[in-house]
Amino acid sequence: AQSVAQPEDQVNVAEGNPLTVKCTYSVSGNPYLFWYVQYPNRGLQFLLKYITGDNLVKGSYGFEAEFNKSQTSFHLKKPSALVSDSALYFCAVRDMRLSFGAGTTVTVRA
Amino acid sequence: ETGVTQTPRHLVMGMTNKKSLKCEQHLGHNAMYWYKQSAKKPLELMFVYNFKEQTENNSVPSRFSPECPNSSHLFLHLHTLQPEDSALYLCASSQRQGVRQSYNEQFFGPGTRLTVL
Repeated sequence: AQSVAQPEDQVNVAEGNPLTVKCTYSVSGNPYLFWYVQYPNRGLQFLLKYITGDNLVKGSYGFEAEFNKSQTSFHLKKPSALVSDSALYFCAVRDMRLSFGAGTTVTVRA
Repeated sequence: ETGVTQTPRHLVMGMTNKKSLKCEQHLGHNAMYWYKQSAKKPLELMFVYNFKEQTENNSVPSRFSPECPNSSHLFLHLHTLQPEDSALYLCASSQRQGVRQSYNEQFFGPGTRLTVL
């Protein structure tokens, strides 16, 4: 069985501050991990993925994520958040199929 | 945009109506997916098609009927829906390497916002 959890429904940060969106996972084999973002009235957009290799993965729009095997986490980070980063963020894990977390709403205030 | 288009963007239908959702991908992918997105719930995978063949049906009620005439087009035929079927229906595509798990990301369309009265 596989699952992914996003423990925070909402994250609020001020523009210019660091942004972290948390994700933990559970899979039986090697995890393939993804982050997607959804802006209002849009579909999901791919941000980044971890398959193998370096634990720190860099993606679109200045986002990065760190794979931590011992903590089974794959937190999404951005050093300096923008108001335009306000959106719904989904973590996903793939074993035999892609399973999504419930999503975290990020609000960046000016 | 992502190269995956969906029509219509919004649909309101009665419980006795029959309607269809359309998805088209312009990315040359060989796999297509239907998801249901309801408020405050994780995305629910409904159907998966690989090379036009349905490979997954996640216990979806028969009032939802998918059709994949070719690798670029995917339909979801709707009939006698219930109000709880109101949701955002997302189509996605990806490039898969055979039947084993794929590392490739999925590309999503903008979705069809369905309201069942």
